[in-house]
Amino acid sequence: QQQVKQSPQSLIVQKGGISIINCAYENTAFDYFPWYQQFPGKGPALLIAIRPDVSEKKEGRFTISFNKSAKQFSLHIMDSQPGDSATYFCAASTGAGLISSGSARQLTFGSGTQLTVLP
Amino acid sequence: NAGVTQTPKFQVLKTGQSMTLQCAQDMNHEYMSWYRQDPGMGLRLIHYSVGAGITDQGEVPNGYNVSRSTTEDFPLRLLSAAPSQTSVYFCASSYSPTSGSTYNEQFFGPGTRLTVL
Repeated sequence: QQQVKQSPQSLIVQKGGISIINCAYENTAFDYFPWYQQFPGKGPALLIAIRPDVSEKKEGRFTISFNKSAKQFSLHIMDSQPGDSATYFCAASTGAGLISSGSARQLTFGSGTQLTVLP
Repeated sequence: NAGVTQTPKFQVLKTGQSMTLQCAQDMNHEYMSWYRQDPGMGLRLIHYSVGAGITDQGEVPNGYNVSRSTTEDFPLRLLSAAPSQTSVYFCASSYSPTSGSTYNEQFFGPGTRLTVL
């Protein structure tokens, strides 16, 4: 049972365009939603994260939009650049990212989106 | 700081062989975990540890063992390798957020690509 569903599986965007990746979750106990970015041959790295007390979080060209009632969240990459080409994973956990217990730190990942930004 | 290191980078095993994937971190993180990454399935948690001497199972623990004798090291053992264990394995670590921090971040190693024939 996949608790976090991610779409699309792959995405091709022209340089300067907007990239949008969507995720939906089922477990209403989830209250911490990070996005990880992974370049080929590397491990994932935290890109941006949100908690459900806000509906949007922006860091530079990256924005998370969060819809608690729909149990959906999305990553928007504005002015997409070829250097953004990577695989993006959404994830979710409980404990709002604050709880030190092991179970609260477990991340449930989406299946990933391979983003290609054409020059 | 080297961060999270993993060895080896690549490994080929035959069915039934055993091996240990090494993971070490020099950030004094108390939480460490192992994930496997398979195409179309994202990353799935195998085992995790909240400190030396304490381990627990994740989503897909069968066929794997772990131990945590020190804060720094968290090896993953494949007892009897099977083709279904062909995957990329990632080790990650994180710290307890200090007062006022809003989240704890997991730091991933570079991965070990394992092929079981």
